[in-house]
Amino acid sequence: AQKVTQAQTEISVVEKEDVTLDCVYETRDTTYYLFWYKQPPSGELVFLIRRNSFDEQNEISGRYSWNFQKSTSSFNFTITASQVVDSAVYFCALSEADNTDKLIFGTGTRLQVFP
Amino acid sequence: DTEVTQTPKHLVMGMTNKKSLKCEQHMGHRAMYWYKQKAKKPPELMFVYSYEKLSINESVPSRFSPECPNSSLLNLHLHALQPEDSALYLCASSQDLVHIFYEQYFGPGTRLTVT
Repeated sequence: AQKVTQAQTEISVVEKEDVTLDCVYETRDTTYYLFWYKQPPSGELVFLIRRNSFDEQNEISGRYSWNFQKSTSSFNFTITASQVVDSAVYFCALSEADNTDKLIFGTGTRLQVFP
Repeated sequence: DTEVTQTPKHLVMGMTNKKSLKCEQHMGHRAMYWYKQKAKKPPELMFVYSYEKLSINESVPSRFSPECPNSSLLNLHLHALQPEDSALYLCASSQDLVHIFYEQYFGPGTRLTVT
């Protein structure tokens, strides 16, 4: 059965620290996509990145980077030099080829960045 | 333009009221979604529309009634709600349901309180 686990419920860091948010997934599908969304206090989920199951290249976008490892079924997200504006709940999600209608969300990690 | 709009932002209603939530997107997306999100939980899928037809109803009580008048609009009609229905209601859209790599774009949500 498909499942996304975000074991870290809450993380607190001080500004400029690096922080990594963990995501572990389970799926029987060989074709799937992984996503990260950010939900600031305002409520809107903001799409950050998608990754397909055939592309294990890491990706960097500014202070954000993602590490996808099929061998460990993980898709971790690192914020470098964190800022107060990074404070939000971050959700990892999975979409499978056999079930295109649904996004399977993890339980989310609340990140608090203190000045 | 990757914007999904939702109105109203906040809604307080009694258990005997009838109200509607509205969602609009102008990205030409053909799949639209309603989610319910309780505090400190991930979004839960309620309904999916594909090409203006209801594709998924996740066993949602009949006091919630979705409607898709056209490809840009999605409504959620509310009637005889219970206090436990108080939550953030999120609308989302994606290109379509055929290709799993299309990310969903979310609106800011309607925060509903049932008294």
